Amino acid sequence: GESVGLHLPTLSVQEGDNSIINCAYSNSASDYFIWYKQESGKGPQFIIDIRSNMDKRQGQRVTVLLNKTVKHLSLQIAATQPGDSAVYFCAENGAGGGNKLTFGTGTQLKVEL
Amino acid sequence: DAGVIQSPRHEVTEMGQEVTLRCKPISGHDYLFWYRQTMMRGLELLIYFNNNVPIDDSGMPEDRFSAKMPNASFSTLKIQPSEPRDSAVYFCASSQGTGRRGYTFGSGTRLTVV
Repeated sequence: GESVGLHLPTLSVQEGDNSIINCAYSNSASDYFIWYKQESGKGPQFIIDIRSNMDKRQGQRVTVLLNKTVKHLSLQIAATQPGDSAVYFCAENGAGGGNKLTFGTGTQLKVEL
Repeated sequence: DAGVIQSPRHEVTEMGQEVTLRCKPISGHDYLFWYRQTMMRGLELLIYFNNNVPIDDSGMPEDRFSAKMPNASFSTLKIQPSEPRDSAVYFCASSQGTGRRGYTFGSGTRLTVV
């Protein structure tokens, strides 16, 4: 079946450094992607999204890059802060898939002081 | 806006008992989703509704699970009878329209079946 997966289960970075979290997706028909952040004991929280007709989108301290050729998505966090420590999920919405989002397995980001 | 509200936050029950999880979506949102999260399987979509009508329940693991949405402001997920392998965090989420701004998740219900 179609799936969305993450390369690295855990990423440790120093405070102030940039973080890059990667995601591979397998459904070439997916046309919309989202990154979520989940802090301990809370539900996933929307960070940023990107449509398949774009290859880059920037938010506040975050940038999402989409490479449709290799079906790869990444989330870049600039000047990582302790409050960024969380699990990050990518999710995809396949074209014609209604309103369903398929989530990746998640990457734990740990920010070291 | 109070966000998506789930209750209870924690539930501990004995195997074989009925469990009912509740969700109040954001007012005006016409899509409602139930997800289950475990360490082994991550976030799994169980079922989702559009305008109170179930659209896709292919993720419901078995007949022990059922979900209803009697009106636009309330949904339940019921497990009867519950089993230890049902232990997980259950999330409800809602969105407006096609959800192209993602879903808004509730804080989840942590279910433990002993």
